[in-house]
Order: sequence, then structure tokens, then C-alpha cells
Amino acid sequence: QKEVEQDPGPLSVPEGAIVSLNCTYSNSAFQYFMWYRQYSRKGPELLMYTYSSGNKEDGRFTAQVDKSSKYISLFIRDSQPSDSATYLCAMSAGTGGFKTIFGAGTRLFVKA
Amino acid sequence: EAGVAQSPRYKIIEKRQSVAFWCNPISGHATLYWYQQILGQGPKLLIQFQNNGVVDDSQLPKDRFSAERLKGVDSTLKIQPAKLEDSAVYLCASGRDSNSPLHFGNGTRLTVT
Repeated sequence: QKEVEQDPGPLSVPEGAIVSLNCTYSNSAFQYFMWYRQYSRKGPELLMYTYSSGNKEDGRFTAQVDKSSKYISLFIRDSQPSDSATYLCAMSAGTGGFKTIFGAGTRLFVKA
Repeated sequence: EAGVAQSPRYKIIEKRQSVAFWCNPISGHATLYWYQQILGQGPKLLIQFQNNGVVDDSQLPKDRFSAERLKGVDSTLKIQPAKLEDSAVYLCASGRDSNSPLHFGNGTRLTVT
């Protein structure tokens, strides 16, 4: 079993839809949870960074962490074609990049 | 601030040849990471530097991969000799310190034929 599981998709939605992206994990020591966005032929870009359980909102993006279920989510409201990218979840037991484990990424297509 | 710079962007070599990648982190960032991203997978950490010292190289295939960070700034990652399975994107990332989020460069896409 992988430490972090993420459905690779692809996920295709119409413009304006609410997108839900999810990851599950097995290591209960993970405390820091991140979502990165990666456009084609670009490096990952940090979108959200949360600690422990709870919700965090930033504009159209909301990150949720449920440590009891070992499940994290990223919601994108009013999705735009420019949101088309691969979304990577990542998590670590310590802060920053030390021992950060990435999911495989979910490819998202938002159709105009 | 300028982002993480990497070169070259693309490299094609034959198996058993050697190759080197270069990374210039964001100015002032003490922590530097090299990740390998195989197509369809998430990035996998190869090595982490704190200033010019190695913090973690447990997943670096040391029989063929080597990395250094001279003077705690720029870094190079070398593969010698390359294998077909080394075909991947090699990403460099930096952070203000080990507790800070990572900032990635755009990577070097390596194809080994």
C-alpha cells in the first residue's frame, strides 16, 4: 500500500463547476498537508498549506483535512479553464520539505 | 523575487553516458532539494541540503547519482552512468529553511535512449 493514494484521473468538468480532489494516506504521523498545482512542463506551485485537521480557504480554493479518516480534499469553486492542470497532494510528519511525500497527482481539465 | 533557476530544460543522452543538471535556488534560501518525477507519478525526494551540508540522501542511488552544493548556493546533480529508467523530470526546489514551503523550478526533462 502506498503511503499516499491519489486518483490520477483525468477529471473533466465544465467551466463554473465545483471540483473536488482527494487523497488518502496511511501514515498517522503526517501533520502537514499541502496541495500543489502543476501546469504542463512547469514545476509544482504551492496552493495550500495546512496543519492538522480542519479547513482552510483561499479565494476559490478550500482545503479540508480529516485526520481521523486519513483523508484530505481540495475544493475549487467556479472552476476556470486556467485551472486545468495536475493537482498534487503532499504531506509530511515535519514542517517544510523534509520527508514530504507526494501523491501521483490528478489531471484536471476544465472545459470552456 | 526571482524563482528557482534550472538548466538545461531538456537533455537527451544514450544509456551509460553521464549528465549533469544545475540549480540556482531563490536568494537567501538555506534549504535545497532535488526531486525526481517520473511521468504519471508525484515527485520523489532524492536529496536535501541545508546550506552546503546533506540532510537526507537516503533515496539517492549513490552508485550512479551524486550531488553537491558548493558554498551553500548553487547545486549540481550528476548521473553516471545513466540507465533507461532514469528518464524523468529532475526538479530542484528551495525553501527559506527546512520548516518553509517548497518553491520549485521548472525542472530538467531527461530522456535516456
